[in-house]
Amino acid sequence: EAGVAQSPRYKIIEKRQSVAFWCNPISGHATLYWYQQILGQGPKLLIQFQNNGVVDDSQLPKDRFSAERLKGVDSTLKIQPAKLEDSAVYLCASSPIAGGADTQYFGPGTRLTVL
Amino acid sequence: LAKTTQPISMDSYEGQEVNITCSHNNIATNDYITWYQQFPSQGPRFIIQGYKTKVTNEVASLFIPADRKSSTLSLPRVSLSDTAVYYCLVVYSGAGSYQLTFGKGTKLSVIP
Repeated sequence: EAGVAQSPRYKIIEKRQSVAFWCNPISGHATLYWYQQILGQGPKLLIQFQNNGVVDDSQLPKDRFSAERLKGVDSTLKIQPAKLEDSAVYLCASSPIAGGADTQYFGPGTRLTVL
Repeated sequence: LAKTTQPISMDSYEGQEVNITCSHNNIATNDYITWYQQFPSQGPRFIIQGYKTKVTNEVASLFIPADRKSSTLSLPRVSLSDTAVYYCLVVYSGAGSYQLTFGKGTKLSVIP
């Protein structure tokens, strides 16, 4: 069974530029999560989708971050414009069903460096 | 706001049992506690999940006291390959919604 795929693996941009990350979850998984993980900290949930609907985006900085899940499968996370403090690893995860008790399967992450 | 607390780091010799505790205030009565392991440059990987008392699988045990204000991940007879960061994940729920909250992680170093 293929795991969660993310691309790119690494991205370096200058502040005020835009960037987009892509995630392909495990086939058949209804729920998709985007996390931000700053060096030395635990992952912080940015947004959670169930199929193509948003379940929780309370910690998503909506003035600069946006996310969508196309047809309930793939997802993209965009930052526009980027700030220095956005430097982090962006993790995508998926789970078979909705709910906090569900086991999450994580991708390898995209490491973003904002200069 | 929900908050979880873990020790920043722990050291252990190979073959010893390691216990990592996570404190989580005010989790609701029907929320699970999950532990993940993370190696450098990888995403977290599921280890174990529990709701109350004790859960055991092939790699770890999870102890949750009756008050559910903390949980302890137990790794029996650790090896060098267990060197990683361990996170607890707690779900805080209420008013029809829930908030997933990871701890800051405990860096376990296994010494030969």
